[in-house]
Amino acid sequence: GENVEQHPSTLSVQEGDSAVIKCTYSDSASNYFPWYKQELGKRPQLIIDIRSNVGEKKDQRIAVTLNKTAKHFSLHITETQPEDSAVYFCAASGGQNFVFGPGTRLSVLP
Amino acid sequence: SAVISQKPSRDICQRGTSLTIQCQVDSQVTMMFWYRQQPGQSLTLIATANQGSEATYESGFVIDKFPISRPNLTFSTLTVSNMSPEDSSIYLCSASSFTANEQYFGPGTRLTVT
Repeated sequence: GENVEQHPSTLSVQEGDSAVIKCTYSDSASNYFPWYKQELGKRPQLIIDIRSNVGEKKDQRIAVTLNKTAKHFSLHITETQPEDSAVYFCAASGGQNFVFGPGTRLSVLP
Repeated sequence: SAVISQKPSRDICQRGTSLTIQCQVDSQVTMMFWYRQQPGQSLTLIATANQGSEATYESGFVIDKFPISRPNLTFSTLTVSNMSPEDSSIYLCSASSFTANEQYFGPGTRLTVT
């Protein structure tokens, strides 16, 4: 079955700096890769996703890149703000089921 | 995106009892899922709730412990049966639409078993 790894597990950055979180997956049949942000005590929220026919997708300060050959994808957050502090989960899917990575706790320091 | 609600939002239950969690979506959706999230951990899929047929369970989860219903395209329930303290967790439902893979999550149910 699919296995998703995520690094780093924790990440601290200064406000205004960039943050990068990387995920690798094992199943070459996976074709959909969402990213979720979960604030403390809240539900996971979809922030961006990418499909396997696209190499990069951007939405304001957030971008995701996908390397299908290497089976990895990354989340890039630019100009980080304190409200970006949260746990971020990547996931991989080859159909309807998602396999989630273990999560990255991002802290943006003022 | 779909708006998803769950009831109850939290509960404290005694071991050996059962709790049924309800998940309601504001529009018809293809798929509904149930996840468990231990504190500080990732999301683990329990099962896919299939409308009109038995749920599909992931490895390590069985129907006798986590019976699931899905009577229509907007509603599902998860029952946690014969609870033990190890069942203390957050249970989340999610849903995805007919046309896309995106999954949207309910607010979760925080269960504590004493």
